[in-house]
Amino acid sequence: QKEVEQNSGPLSVPEGAIASLNCTYSDRGSQSFFWYRQYSGKSPELIMFIYSNGDKEDGRFTAQLNKASQYVSLLIRDSQPSDSATYLCAVIAPARYNTDKLIFGTGTRLQVFP
Amino acid sequence: DAGVTQSPTHLIKTRGQQVTLRCSPKSGHDTVSWYQQALGQGPQFIFQYYEEEERQRGNFPDRFSGHQFPNYSSELNVNALLLGDSALYLCASSSGSGQGWDTQYFGPGTRLTVL
Repeated sequence: QKEVEQNSGPLSVPEGAIASLNCTYSDRGSQSFFWYRQYSGKSPELIMFIYSNGDKEDGRFTAQLNKASQYVSLLIRDSQPSDSATYLCAVIAPARYNTDKLIFGTGTRLQVFP
Repeated sequence: DAGVTQSPTHLIKTRGQQVTLRCSPKSGHDTVSWYQQALGQGPQFIFQYYEEEERQRGNFPDRFSGHQFPNYSSELNVNALLLGDSALYLCASSSGSGQGWDTQYFGPGTRLTVL
């Protein structure tokens, strides 16, 4: 079982629609969760982080965390063609490791078509 | 406020050679982590430096080594390059409590090609 799993996609949505990106993680002790956006050939750019169960909203983006189900999601409202990128879900290894190493999924490629 | 910087941007080496990549963290950050990202994959943790010491290491061979300087900048060295070392090398900085709460910000990366 992979530590962080994402559907590789591509996920294709029309402009203006809601894009829903999902991620599951295996270590129940994980406590910090991140979404990064990565354009082709570029480095990952932080979109959002979430620590507590529930929803966290920032502009068009909403992160959702359900620790009981070990599930994190990212919703993008009013999707734009400029949102077309790979979205990486990342989890910080639990505190018992005394480090902040990020464990990444393989990413979901999102395509927003006009 | 300068973000994370990395140099060089691109590098081409041949098998068996050695390479050094450099990273300067974001202002106010004291922790540097290095990641390797192969094409189509998520970044893989190489190691993390805090207070000039390696705090944790991922599943990478000893050919990969690093250093952190008193000004918090860092180097990644790779010896005896293999074709499989071709990847995007990412540096991330954070203010490192090491307790699982710190947000990491990535630099632009160094694209290494091994021929």
